[in-house]
Amino acid sequence: NAGVTQTPKFQVLKTGQSMTLQCAQDMNHNSMYWYRQDPGMGLRLIYYSASEGTTDKGEVPNGYNVSRLNKREFSLRLESAAPSQTSVYFCASSEGQFTQYFGPGTRLTVT
Amino acid sequence: DQQVKQNSPSLSVQEGRISILNCDYTNSMFDYFLWYKKYPAEGPTFLISISSIKDKNEDGRFTVFLNKSAKHLSLHIVPSQPGDSAVYFCAARDSGGSNYKLTFGKGTLLTVNP
Repeated sequence: NAGVTQTPKFQVLKTGQSMTLQCAQDMNHNSMYWYRQDPGMGLRLIYYSASEGTTDKGEVPNGYNVSRLNKREFSLRLESAAPSQTSVYFCASSEGQFTQYFGPGTRLTVT
Repeated sequence: DQQVKQNSPSLSVQEGRISILNCDYTNSMFDYFLWYKKYPAEGPTFLISISSIKDKNEDGRFTVFLNKSAKHLSLHIVPSQPGDSAVYFCAARDSGGSNYKLTFGKGTLLTVNP
């Protein structure tokens, strides 16, 4: 039982490049989330998926797209990376409205 | 507009003493509160939660107190251990909006000195 896994762990992009962050959970949770954490800013919600087939914007969705591929997987795509998207990205999952469980994070640097 | 505030960026305590981490909120629609602990280079891990219908929840060395009238909650760690050194995030769920979204504070770095 791995919980929530994220790939890659680290990534360096040049401005304008695109990439997809992958997230998978094996807890059979319905809901999944993407957050970013910046120094002094706490965790901010980018997008979430309350259930398979649905996605909704969070607090900071601009510059990102998401895909809920199936119940297990929820990916985050940066179409044209910008230095402002340098951050640590966390994926989380929950059984509906209860406690969210987080993955280990992806550290992204955009130069 | 910061709805969940952790006004102390850092806290330092001696091993064996009590650690008290504080959190204030402004949204009266918050009905469920959680504390997460985060070590460097790891994801946040769930620690303890409390529903707004309660004023206290205890789990081992960790106790969360909720004062709804003051819109204030606190996490008590007794006794504090060096392994408790981490960033602690307070989070809250809004019963009036989407029940799936949590609002996080900015975190408090706890350092427990041996």
